[in-house]
Amino acid sequence: QSVLTQPPSASGTPGQRVTISCSGGTSNIGQNYVFWYQQLPGAAPKLLIYRIYQRPSGVPDRFSGSKSGTSASLAISGLRSEDEADYYCSSWDDRLSAWVFGGGTKLTVL
Amino acid sequence: QVQLQASGPGLVKPGETLSLNCTVSGGSINDYYWGWIRQPPGKGLEWIGYIYYSGSTTYNPSLQSRLTISVDTSRQSFSLKLSSVTAADTAIYYCARDRTTIMGVDVWGLGTTVTVSS
Repeated sequence: QSVLTQPPSASGTPGQRVTISCSGGTSNIGQNYVFWYQQLPGAAPKLLIYRIYQRPSGVPDRFSGSKSGTSASLAISGLRSEDEADYYCSSWDDRLSAWVFGGGTKLTVL
Repeated sequence: QVQLQASGPGLVKPGETLSLNCTVSGGSINDYYWGWIRQPPGKGLEWIGYIYYSGSTTYNPSLQSRLTISVDTSRQSFSLKLSSVTAADTAIYYCARDRTTIMGVDVWGLGTTVTVSS
């Protein structure tokens, strides 16, 4: 049972906009930054979004993040086949003094 | 460009100690946090813990009693030891550079698979 809650799956067609939600609590998302990681099939995770909405160099602006209260969202616009991957949200948990992750959302591009 | 390479036995017997090493190349180990994250087969990510280059550590409370993370700055490496392993410790183990809440986990190694089995 993950501390952060994500839907197990999401899907969309090329060009569409999809969003992935991440729900937490007051000890993590409620008072800390949110991070998103993309894991392509058979690969290591890669940092996609940091500090809620910041993108590391090289990440397209099709990817965006937001946060409201104890929940966060990742939006992907102009969906492409290469976006098919698992996406994980993460936040620091002050009560556990640990990084916590969501269970991951498998994105399928139809 | 910083790269991380984990190494260690791919098979560990139940009750024994899992030991992994991670070598940092392409950049200095100094001034950063370095950590371990694992992923059981077909499951999500679990944070194990991290160590600052100076040696201070923070561990996942659920693993703390069995866990030791250490660093050797002269060898540009850090290591993980997890004692009394069970089948539940079977996973891909990733070593990573942890920028904490400044920038999250921004560099990941390829991962190494560890199976706990007799």
